[in-house]
Formats: sequence, structure tokens, C-alpha cells
Amino acid sequence: AQTVTQSQPEMSVQEAETVTLSCTYDTSESDYYLFWYKQPPSRQMILVIRQEAYKQQNATENRFSVNFQKAAKSFSLKISDSQLGDAAMYFCAYRSPFDGANSKLTFGKGITLSVRP
Amino acid sequence: DTGVSQDPRHKITKRGQNVTFRCDPISEHNRLYWYRQTLGQGPEFLTYFQNEAQLEKSRLLSDRFSAERPKGSFSTLEIQRTEQGDSAMYLCASSLPPGLELAKNIQYFGAGTRLSVL
Repeated sequence: AQTVTQSQPEMSVQEAETVTLSCTYDTSESDYYLFWYKQPPSRQMILVIRQEAYKQQNATENRFSVNFQKAAKSFSLKISDSQLGDAAMYFCAYRSPFDGANSKLTFGKGITLSVRP
Repeated sequence: DTGVSQDPRHKITKRGQNVTFRCDPISEHNRLYWYRQTLGQGPEFLTYFQNEAQLEKSRLLSDRFSAERPKGSFSTLEIQRTEQGDSAMYLCASSLPPGLELAKNIQYFGAGTRLSVL
């Protein structure tokens, strides 16, 4: 079974600065999908960024980028030019390449990010 | 398209009572997932539907839990004889079939139903 580990429960960043959130995972599959989701307080979880394991290039979405290290099974999220609205809980998630029951997401415990004005 | 909708947002009940939650997925999303999220934890998979068929249930889904998606559109999750350990956020997500390029294996989440069992 796949596991996702987010070992930092909390992080803090100054507004306009850069922060990196860490995530490691364990799998025996060679291809898979990785996601970062953002969950603001009392609001729905939204997708931040998505990475396909067979792609060498790191995904980027505006101020958000990932550092995907497949051999190390590491998938960190970098947030540049942090904004107050980035304050939320961030979850790293894994999805198997196979269908059916394997289409479920396996989540880490999450990281609470606070942004200091 | 208003996204995934869940109702109610909050539910407080007494131990032993039955509760039912509803999820309306994004239209044209034939896949629907239920997850449970306890305080300080990430969501954990409970069950999923493809159209009206329930194709997988987690071991977390005890006999007191039942989920339905009768017409392949909205889904309900019922918990019978609630226990204090059932207190959690119940999240619903939906997605397009994975074969579609547009799908990109992305699940879209609702805001959840927070259940408190007293």
C-alpha cells in the first residue's frame, strides 16, 4: 500500500517571501500521480498543482511550483511571493495509475501554513 | 457549474441517532468519492461510485455506514446508531472518467459536512 508522509505539522512564512512544504511518499509503482491540495479554514479543498510521475519536468502553476525527486520519492511544494490568502492547510496526495479502487487519493496528514503580514 | 455541493455543512447529533448526508457532484462527473477527515489528519477514503454502482468500500466503512447513488447523480451517506468516534468531517469528491484527457485524474471536493456526535 502507498503511504504519504508530511512530517512538518506547521510552517510560517513572511508575506512576499518563499516557503517550501515537504512531502515524501512510498510506493512500488513506477508511474503515478501526485497532487497538492489547499484547504482554507471552513472551506473546500482545492487543487493547487498536479504532477505526473513519468514527466521529468517539474509542474508549475503561477506562484506555485514543485520539486519532484522520483528516486528520492520526494514531492515538495514551493510557494513564491507568499500572500495572506495562501494561509491554509496543505495536503500532499498520491494516486495510483490504475483504475477502479486504485483511483482513490491517499493523503498525508497535512501542513498548516500561516502567513505573517 | 457550481462545483461539488454537500448538505448539511454541520450536523450535531446525539449518540445512537441516525444521520444522513447528501452530496451533489459536478454535473457530468460519473465518479463520486466519500472521504472522512478527523482533526489533524488528512482525508481517508471511504467508498466510491462509478455512476450508480458502488465499486469499492474501505474497511473504515463499518456496517453502520451505507452509501447510495441511486440515479448516478447525487449520493447519500447514512450513519446508523452514531458513536462519538464518528465525529469527523465527511468530504465528497467527484471526477470525470480517467480515460478522458480533460479528467487529468483530478478530484474536485465539496466543502464537507462536519459531524459532531454528543
